[in-house]
Amino acid sequence: QSALTQPASVSGSPGQSITISCTGTSSDVGSYNLVSWYQQHPGKAPKLLIYEVSQRPSGVSNRFSGSKSGNTASLTISGLQAEDEADYYCCSYAGSSTWVFGGGTKLTVL
Amino acid sequence: EVQLVESGGGLVQPGGSLRLSCAASGFTFSSSWMHWVRQAPGKGLVWVSRIKTDGSSTSYADSVKGRFTISRDNAKNTLYLQMNSLRAEDTAVYYCARGGNYGGAFDYWGQGTLVTVSS
Repeated sequence: QSALTQPASVSGSPGQSITISCTGTSSDVGSYNLVSWYQQHPGKAPKLLIYEVSQRPSGVSNRFSGSKSGNTASLTISGLQAEDEADYYCCSYAGSSTWVFGGGTKLTVL
Repeated sequence: EVQLVESGGGLVQPGGSLRLSCAASGFTFSSSWMHWVRQAPGKGLVWVSRIKTDGSSTSYADSVKGRFTISRDNAKNTLYLQMNSLRAEDTAVYYCARGGNYGGAFDYWGQGTLVTVSS
C-alpha cells in the first residue's frame, strides 16, 4: 500500500493549462480504471473532480480533465483561474477492497 | 442535501482508545459504502478503512489493521471508527466519506474531526 507518486508542486499563470501526473504500479493504477482526483482548499474537505480516470461528476467544470496511460494517470486543468490554487490528490483502487492516495500536489496560480 | 458530520475526536494518550462517529443525512445511508480517510497535519490524504452497505464486509489499510474497527448502524444512519492502541502517528484529521455512484469514488466528505495522540 505505497502512496501513488505525484509532483510536490506545479504552477501556472491564469489562462494557461497545467498537468499533474500520478504514478502508481501495475497493482493499482495500471490494473483498474478506478482513478479519481480530488481538490482540497486549505482547511476544507476534499472535493471530487474526476472519477473512473476521465469522468466528471455533475457540477464540475469541464476545465478539469483526466487521462491514464499504463501506470500513470494525469489531471489537466485548462484556463487556469485563481480559485484553482489548491492541493490536488489522485486516488486509485488497489484491489482487495483497498484504495491508495497520491502524496498530493500543491498548485500555485502565479 | 447530503451531509456527513464527524464527531468524537480529541486528545488521547498513546496506547489509548477513541471512537469516532459520522452522522449521515440526505441520502440512503444503508445503500452506500462508507470510508474513513485521514490527513496528518500538513500531510496528504490516506485511506484508512471501508465498510460495505450492510456491514458484512470491511477492509483496512495495513497501518491500522488489527487496531481499528469500522462499523455502522443503518438504523441510526451512523458510521463508526473504533480506534485502539493509538500511536502518535495516528494523529490526524479523520474524514468520513461516501463511496458513491461515481465508480466508488468518494463523492461526499464530512468536515473532519481531529484526533491528537500525545502524552
